[in-house]
Amino acid sequence: DAGVIQSPRHEVTEMGQEVTLRCKPISGHNSLFWYRQTMMRGLELLIYFNNNVPIDDSGMPEDRFSAKMPNASFSTLKIQPSEPRDSAVYFCASSPTDDPFFGPGTRLTVL
Amino acid sequence: KQEVTQIPAALSVPEGENLVLNCSFTDSAIYNLQWFRQDPGKGLTSLLLIQSSQREQTSGRLNASLDKSSGRSTLYIAASQPGDSATYLCAETGGYQKVTFGIGTKLQVIP
Repeated sequence: DAGVIQSPRHEVTEMGQEVTLRCKPISGHNSLFWYRQTMMRGLELLIYFNNNVPIDDSGMPEDRFSAKMPNASFSTLKIQPSEPRDSAVYFCASSPTDDPFFGPGTRLTVL
Repeated sequence: KQEVTQIPAALSVPEGENLVLNCSFTDSAIYNLQWFRQDPGKGLTSLLLIQSSQREQTSGRLNASLDKSSGRSTLYIAASQPGDSATYLCAETGGYQKVTFGIGTKLQVIP
């Protein structure tokens, strides 16, 4: 298994642009998580899905952020419009039960 | 809101020394406690997972303990090596597989 796949690995964009991050979880894992990591705040859970259904999105910072999981093998995290304070590493993780497997992350820089 | 605290934030030790990393959590209904390793610019790698019914787990030179009553976990690294240099994160899983991370302890092992 290739593990959790995230794309792109690096994204540089200008303020106001739309950003879409993508994640392919490990096949058979029924839970998917989106995290954001910054130096100041560490790892923060943004949203997680169970069986493609959003369970808790209380960590999504504001309405500019949205996440979807149209099927068991794909999820997106969208930021529209992006702001410099959104610059961070965004991790996707999937889990069969209680042991999350992390993707390599997407490093987002908003200028 | 669940909180996970890690002390110290950074630690520098000479090679060969035994060391302990500390983690405290506020969730009284913890499902499991997990320790991760993160190398610079990389994703997270799971080291040890302790179920709420367990007291400790061991893997090679690593030993993790869990004390639910006091809300504490420790990661013991024996005979530290330069290759152990990384950031170590503690994470607790509560209801609905929601994982809360500490901000991490940055370890440097000096040859």
